[in-house]
Amino acid sequence: DTGVSQNPRHKITKRGQNVTFRCDPISEHNRLYWYRQTLGQGPEFLTYFQNEAQLEKSRLLSDRFSAERPKGSFSTLEIQRTEQGDSAMYLCATLSRNNEQFFGPGTRLTVL
Amino acid sequence: GEDVEQSLFLSVREGDSSVINCTYTDSSSTYLYWYKQEPGAGLQLLTYIFSNMDMKQDQRLTVLLNKKDKHLSLRIADTQTGDSAIYFCAETGSGNTGKLIFGQGTTLQVKP
Repeated sequence: DTGVSQNPRHKITKRGQNVTFRCDPISEHNRLYWYRQTLGQGPEFLTYFQNEAQLEKSRLLSDRFSAERPKGSFSTLEIQRTEQGDSAMYLCATLSRNNEQFFGPGTRLTVL
Repeated sequence: GEDVEQSLFLSVREGDSSVINCTYTDSSSTYLYWYKQEPGAGLQLLTYIFSNMDMKQDQRLTVLLNKKDKHLSLRIADTQTGDSAIYFCAETGSGNTGKLIFGQGTTLQVKP
């Protein structure tokens, strides 16, 4: 257990539905990252926050994706109008002062 | 652009040493990381190295960095069946964002 938690661990939804994932970081870590991992690939960066400010978004993050980190604590990632191509593992990570990046267990999304 | 390459598969016998190799393209990367991922799980940080170092040892793990050739390796001594997993190399890339660029992962199979 790295101290980063994610909920839910699994989500099955129908195409066109909206889904929201939550990440609870290690409390003293200011930076929080979201990545997406598809089968057989390494994780790909989606976006990151420094406290509550969203500082960078990947071009992978289409208009259907939105992320928030109110009050600089937990973060949510919402996908609107899900598509089958959104099926993946969504990983959250936080950065320590020693530049160690710790990952949560991930949320596996399946879009039917 | 930023790119990280790894060989896809490595098979060793229990008790042998394993060497997993990685090449990267961004010479401005500050940190380079090795992660381990078991089936259905998140990423476990194994070790990382600062770019001005050329070697780091941590128990059975040895990381070698050749910055001139942009080559990183992870050596696992006395490999055990519990070491069977996918190993990812990652670099921080340019800028001070901390976002990670991952390779495709190397599947390590340890035969008894």
